[in-house]
Amino acid sequence: GESVGLHLPTLSVQEGDNSIINCAYSNSASDYFIWYKQESGKGPQFIIDIRSNMDKRQGQRVTVLLNKTVKHLSLQIAATQPGDSAVYFCADASSGGSYIPTFGRGTSLIVHP
Amino acid sequence: IAGITQAPTSQILAAGRRMTLRCTQDMRHNAMYWYRQDLGLGLRLIHYSNTAGTTGKGEVPDGYSVSRANTDDFPLTLASAVPSQTSVYFCASSYRCSGNTIYFGEGSWLTVV
Repeated sequence: GESVGLHLPTLSVQEGDNSIINCAYSNSASDYFIWYKQESGKGPQFIIDIRSNMDKRQGQRVTVLLNKTVKHLSLQIAATQPGDSAVYFCADASSGGSYIPTFGRGTSLIVHP
Repeated sequence: IAGITQAPTSQILAAGRRMTLRCTQDMRHNAMYWYRQDLGLGLRLIHYSNTAGTTGKGEVPDGYSVSRANTDDFPLTLASAVPSQTSVYFCASSYRCSGNTIYFGEGSWLTVV
């Protein structure tokens, strides 16, 4: 299957700054993406998702941007807080056939107070 | 709603022993998955099930087996555990196998000695 990759393994930010976590995908037919947050010792938690008929989707303090031209998506976290420290994964959970969800390796976000 | 329940939470197992990790979901999801998560390798799919009565192999199926006798339960069995199966195992589910949000359990920490 197609792979989903993340550009940076670790991102360090100051509390209050905005954070941007990037993800690239390779399958141009991919049409559904999910961002997860995984805190130490816990399972991945759903944050936000986006389908390919959208370029942008906003949640509470989070925004996901999808650029289908370059096959890239990003997760933006506004006013980053220490509680945002975690590993963030993007997932390609596209529809069609027997397509099985695949996950990036994750970016570790470290928020310094 | 409990979501996905995994058991045991953690286990130390002697090599060569048989072990079954249990997973139950109460969301009436059709699709269920087993992933293992290892440092630096991210989430890797072991086995999946599109619906009750069917199963399929993922990326790393060797040494593992699954069954899906009903919608709610998806146990993962290690027939004869080896140290390389030391990992964190996550069970997940979604309404359908593709194009839908995937929800995760809290994980089962398995150490094979």
